[in-house]
Amino acid sequence: ETGVTQSPTHLIKTRGQQVTLRCSSQSGHNTVSWYQQALGQGPQFIFQYYREEENGRGNFPPRFSGLQFPNYSSELNVNALELDDSALYLCASSRQTANTEAFFGQGTRLTVV
Amino acid sequence: GEDVEQSLFLSVREGDSSVINCTYTDSSSTYLYWYKQEPGAGLQLLTYIFSNMDMKQDQRLTVLLNKKDKHLSLRIADTQTGDSAIYFCAENLSGGYQKVTFGTGTKLQVIP
Repeated sequence: ETGVTQSPTHLIKTRGQQVTLRCSSQSGHNTVSWYQQALGQGPQFIFQYYREEENGRGNFPPRFSGLQFPNYSSELNVNALELDDSALYLCASSRQTANTEAFFGQGTRLTVV
Repeated sequence: GEDVEQSLFLSVREGDSSVINCTYTDSSSTYLYWYKQEPGAGLQLLTYIFSNMDMKQDQRLTVLLNKKDKHLSLRIADTQTGDSAIYFCAENLSGGYQKVTFGTGTKLQVIP
C-alpha cells in the first residue's frame, strides 16, 4: 500500500507568480484535503476534494484553487503569490469525506521571494 | 467555535513518561487525533480516539479523553530521544466533509 506522496518537495517562486503543487492519494482513498502550515503554526485547512469537486473550504481566498483527477490525485494551484503564502503545504487523503482517519504526505515547502 | 489549544513546550528526561495536554472547544468533534512532526517532515498520525471513548492504549502511547472538560492528553511511556518532535492535537468536526483543526503544537524535547 503506497502512502500519500507530494511533489515537488521544495519550491521557490517570485511574488505574483503562480504555482501548482501535486498530491497522489494513498491507495484506496478517494478524498484529498489540502492544508497550509506556516512556520511555527499548526496546519490550516484549505479545502477538500471528493469526486473531482470541491467538497468544503476553509478561510482561504479564491486564488487558492484545486483539482482532483479520476485517479483521485489532486493539484493545489495558487495564483498571484504573496510573501505570506510561504509555508509547508500538506496533502491528506482519506477513505471517505468525513469521520475517518486522514493520512498526510511529507509536504511541499513553498518559499515566495 | 473551533479552537484547539496546547502548551508550546515540554522537556523530559529519557526513560520518563511524557504527558502532552490539549483542550478543544467543539463538542461535536467525532475523532480526536495526535500527530507527530519531525523537523522538515510531514505529519505522522500517531493515534486517534473516537469521541465516544475515554481511553485508548497503543503500545507506549495512551490517550485519555475527558469530554466533559473537552480535554485530551497523550502519554508517552519510557520516552526516547527519537520521540523528540512537535506533537499536534487535532479534532475532526462532524459534518459533510473532513476538516481537521489543529492546535499550534507542543515541542517535546527529550534529554538523554
